[in-house]
Amino acid sequence: SAVISQKPSRDICQRGTSLTIQCQVDSQVTMMFWYRQQPGQSLTLIATANQGSEATYESGFVIDKFPISRPNLTFSTLTVSNMSPEDSSIYLCSVEIRAGNMYGYTFGSGTRLTVV
Amino acid sequence: DAKTTQPNSMESNEEEPVHLPCNHSTISGTDYIHWYRQLPSQGPEYVIHGLTSNVNNRMASLAIAEDRKSSTLILHRATLRDAAVYYCILSGYTGGFKTIFGAGTRLFVKA
Repeated sequence: SAVISQKPSRDICQRGTSLTIQCQVDSQVTMMFWYRQQPGQSLTLIATANQGSEATYESGFVIDKFPISRPNLTFSTLTVSNMSPEDSSIYLCSVEIRAGNMYGYTFGSGTRLTVV
Repeated sequence: DAKTTQPNSMESNEEEPVHLPCNHSTISGTDYIHWYRQLPSQGPEYVIHGLTSNVNNRMASLAIAEDRKSSTLILHRATLRDAAVYYCILSGYTGGFKTIFGAGTRLFVKA
């Protein structure tokens, strides 16, 4: 299955600033997903990013706050803009894997963001 | 979007089997049933998936009801390392291939 390198693994940021999170995949994948996981909570899908098209955002998430880039089939970034303490969370990227009978998802190790 | 319902938490004794239930009554015919688990401070990891038939792999077994409205993840012999949050999710054409996570079941394993 694909291996995802996500960075940074953690960061502490000042409110009002922005942080860009990167996900690099070791193989070409069509669909990439960005999630947020608040402390003690499940994962919430932020958006789906396909190469060559604009990301599709879920209800409650907007492009101005969470701009996403997907320049090629192995890379994507999520930016958390104009951060506030409420943005403190773990952010994860995920890719869909289809190979023969295998159909599943691989996740990055996450970026733990603290906004102060 | 199709939703899943799981118990908030379950307990098991070490070396005993564990059956983790999941209800997905609004599943569509093209949705796959996936199970992931998340260990502390890690991203979710794939456990197993299926469509209609029961499935076995080295980690677990997946039993799918005939009407596909529920499924059960079976850990044959729980170990302390199996203590994690287990997520049952649906993914497929419904909702445009989105994967929506429910609250998951936190499994506690007692030595």
